[in-house]
Amino acid sequence: DAKTTQPPSMDCAEGRAANLPCNHSTISGNEYVYWYRQIHSQGPQYIIHGLKNNETNEMASLIITEDRKSSTLILPHATLRDTAVYYCIVRLDSGAGSYQLTFGKGTKLSVIP
Amino acid sequence: NAGVTQTPKFQVLKTGQSMTLQCAQDMNHEYMSWYRQDPGMGLRLIHYSVGAGITDQGEVPNGYNVSRSTTEDFPLRLLSAAPSQTSVYFCASSSRHSGSHEQYFGPGTRLTVT
Repeated sequence: DAKTTQPPSMDCAEGRAANLPCNHSTISGNEYVYWYRQIHSQGPQYIIHGLKNNETNEMASLIITEDRKSSTLILPHATLRDTAVYYCIVRLDSGAGSYQLTFGKGTKLSVIP
Repeated sequence: NAGVTQTPKFQVLKTGQSMTLQCAQDMNHEYMSWYRQDPGMGLRLIHYSVGAGITDQGEVPNGYNVSRSTTEDFPLRLLSAAPSQTSVYFCASSSRHSGSHEQYFGPGTRLTVT
């Protein structure tokens, strides 16, 4: 799987949009970009995933660049409950590899009142 | 649905002791996996299973055994605990019929080996 690079930490003011970047310059054509988050001491939680088109759900938006070498997770109106570690993961879309997640250290997002 | 459940929540072992961490899911998911998370680190895959009777090794399998006799249960066994196995252990499951292959994680078991 392609490696990902994320900033170790970010701050965001409550109510503002949080934009979390991720670089995955070695991504291949059949690899998806996934985002999970881990709120203190809990199990990780799925947020969103995409291949090459931008995606939006009730939690967040995912913007993937045209060359697919980077992406941005957007939390449109951050709340204190969004304080967590956010993981950007690149994963194969078929076979046993489609089930295996490789977690880096992620980005620690702190939402500030 | 209870989702993914793990027991116990906390455990302290002495070096050399054995124990089994339990994981169960009630979503009829085919895929289950075990991860460990050390302080300040991301999760690392220990073992996984794509269905009953089928298991395979992940990134850090040494010192751990698994079996998958039913779809619901995926226990993780530590045969002879070592201090290096002090960690938080997460179990996860997902469905191959889900287009997202979203993984659902349990609440974790916090293990200390002295």
